[in-house]
Amino acid sequence: NAGVTQTPKFRVLKTGQSMTLLCAQDMNHEYMYWYRQDPGMGLRLIHYSVGEGTTAKGEVPDGYNVSRLKKQNFLLGLESAAPSQTSVYFCASSGGGQVNEQFFGPGTRLTVL
Amino acid sequence: AQSVTQLGSHVSVSEGALVLLRCNYSSSVPPYLFWYVQYPNQGLQLLLKYTTGATLVKGINGFEAEFKKSETSFHLTKPSAHMSDAAEYFCAVSDGPYQLIWGAGTKLIIKP
Repeated sequence: NAGVTQTPKFRVLKTGQSMTLLCAQDMNHEYMYWYRQDPGMGLRLIHYSVGEGTTAKGEVPDGYNVSRLKKQNFLLGLESAAPSQTSVYFCASSGGGQVNEQFFGPGTRLTVL
Repeated sequence: AQSVTQLGSHVSVSEGALVLLRCNYSSSVPPYLFWYVQYPNQGLQLLLKYTTGATLVKGINGFEAEFKKSETSFHLTKPSAHMSDAAEYFCAVSDGPYQLIWGAGTKLIIKP
């Protein structure tokens, strides 16, 4: 099993450009998450999904959109990138339940110039 | 609201010395607690977790953590540090069935 995979691994954008980050999981997990990681700020939740066709806002959703059209995929979109969105983005998935152990992808390093 | 506090953004220990990374949480319900490790340029992986039962939890790579309800703590320890332990460590607590609340992380530096 590949677990959680993310594409691309690296990306450089110019301000105002758009892009989509793809997350895929092969563990049949119901829940999926998008986080951003910035130095000294730990992990901050952007959006999450508790099932196919459902999404919800996390702690820092502004400037991002998501879609979960298939259970195994969770897409994160930036419609008009800003330098403040320079970060490392992690996708995670979970089988849910009270314990909610999350499994992480390797991350996407995004730079917005 | 639940929260997690990790004391010290950076902790430096000598190789072979005891590793102690501190985590305190606030929770209005019995917590489920996690420690994750992030090696450079990688994603996070689970080190250990506390759900119910034994309060001393053993994880991978010789790490363990003890849940102390009276102190609302879940500190991570390892008796003898190795150079390969250099990484960032995150403590987290379950916030209902959907989310984890994360600490800010502690970078562990191992001195030769």
